Amino acid sequence: EDQVTQSPEALRLQEGESSSLNCSYTVSGLRGLFWYRQDPGKGPEFLFTLYSAGEEKEKERLKATLTKKESFLHITAPKPEDSATYLCAVHTGRRALTFGSGTRLQVQP
Amino acid sequence: DTGVSQNPRHKITKRGQNVTFRCDPISEHNRLYWYRQTLGQGPEFLTYFQNEAQLEKSRLLSDRFSAERPKGSFSTLEIQRTEQGDSAMYLCASSIRQVNTGELFFGEGSRLTVL
Repeated sequence: EDQVTQSPEALRLQEGESSSLNCSYTVSGLRGLFWYRQDPGKGPEFLFTLYSAGEEKEKERLKATLTKKESFLHITAPKPEDSATYLCAVHTGRRALTFGSGTRLQVQP
Repeated sequence: DTGVSQNPRHKITKRGQNVTFRCDPISEHNRLYWYRQTLGQGPEFLTYFQNEAQLEKSRLLSDRFSAERPKGSFSTLEIQRTEQGDSAMYLCASSIRQVNTGELFFGEGSRLTVL
């Protein structure tokens, strides 16, 4: 069974303090790894797609990277508006995505 | 607003009652998904429609759950004889692209509380 594990469960940063979120996966044939952002009371919002080890994607203060066993979401100089839950998901050939339980990020001013 | 719309946003019901949720996807999106999310967890897949055809259902989708997408437009998710364990956020997502792009557009969800 496909498993996606995210760590840490929660992370509190000061504004400007860079850090990384981890998503490790155990799947039978990865066809894509995705990052989403979810604000409280809202549905997830798509951020990135990664297909192969070594691939990187960037958007503003976020950069996602992929290895053969895990993905990282690097947050550079975060701002309070980056506070959210960040979800990792994988696609392995079925018509559905398998999500991790997320990392709750809080950025304090 | 041209995003995914879900109604009702909140539903409180007593155990044993039936509830129905509606999802209106983005108009040109032919792919529609239902997910369930409980507090502190990521979304769990329930079912998938391509146009009006229900092509995949999760083991999580017991026989008390039924979903439809008549005419390939809006979709409904009905839960019969609700149980307290059904309390969750029910999320609908739509897409025009294949699932391997990961680009699903989620609605704001329908939160169900079963007393």
